[in-house]
Amino acid sequence: QMQLVQSGAEVKKPGSSVKVSCKASGGTFNNYAIGWVRQAPGQGLEWMGGILPIFGTKNYAQKFRGRVAITADESTSTAYMELSSLRSDDTGVYFCATGPAGGDTALALSYYFESWGQGTQVTVSS
Amino acid sequence: DIQMTQSPSSLSASVGDRVTITCRASRSVNTYLSWYQQKPGKAPKLLIYAVSSLESGVPSRFSGSGYGTDFTLTITNLQPEDFATYYCQQSFSPPQTFGQGTKVEIK
Repeated sequence: QMQLVQSGAEVKKPGSSVKVSCKASGGTFNNYAIGWVRQAPGQGLEWMGGILPIFGTKNYAQKFRGRVAITADESTSTAYMELSSLRSDDTGVYFCATGPAGGDTALALSYYFESWGQGTQVTVSS
Repeated sequence: DIQMTQSPSSLSASVGDRVTITCRASRSVNTYLSWYQQKPGKAPKLLIYAVSSLESGVPSRFSGSGYGTDFTLTITNLQPEDFATYYCQQSFSPPQTFGQGTKVEIK
């Protein structure tokens, strides 16, 4: 299983952007799908989107489409999630997770998430 | 979007109990169903994938069953370290939706 290490906590102003990184080690980065999952304070898990680096395919949840961009740098085995036009309700912990690709590779879905990053706290406050 | 509904939302149980959590999908997800355990302040941990396949290292007291729209996570002989929140997730169709979670508390 891969190990995933995410970047540190961020405090952002409303309207700004945040970019969270997720560095993978201990596995072949390109063989996996990578997803990003958000957890608002005291709430459940919410899938934001995913990327399949080997094919370059991406998929975003409709809720975040237009505000989120997920990328992957194969040379450094690092994935990124950038969220723009931040609002106070974007406050939460953001996780990256990896697993084998499932189904249609064009959908960039993970069959399941077997490895998770430690989470990155993003606080949006004026 | 496929909606995933877990029940109950929370439950109280004692060490040694058998606990069952159900997850219902708004339409069939075939066998694209996994279960996760999350403890406060920690990342989720994969327990079961493909409905009933136990992730490596996960105790055999955890088991999953179901097909299509109705799924079950069962914990037999509940241990102190099992008190946590459990989530189901479908990966059949985007977005990969999670259930709202089931919190297992100590009675």
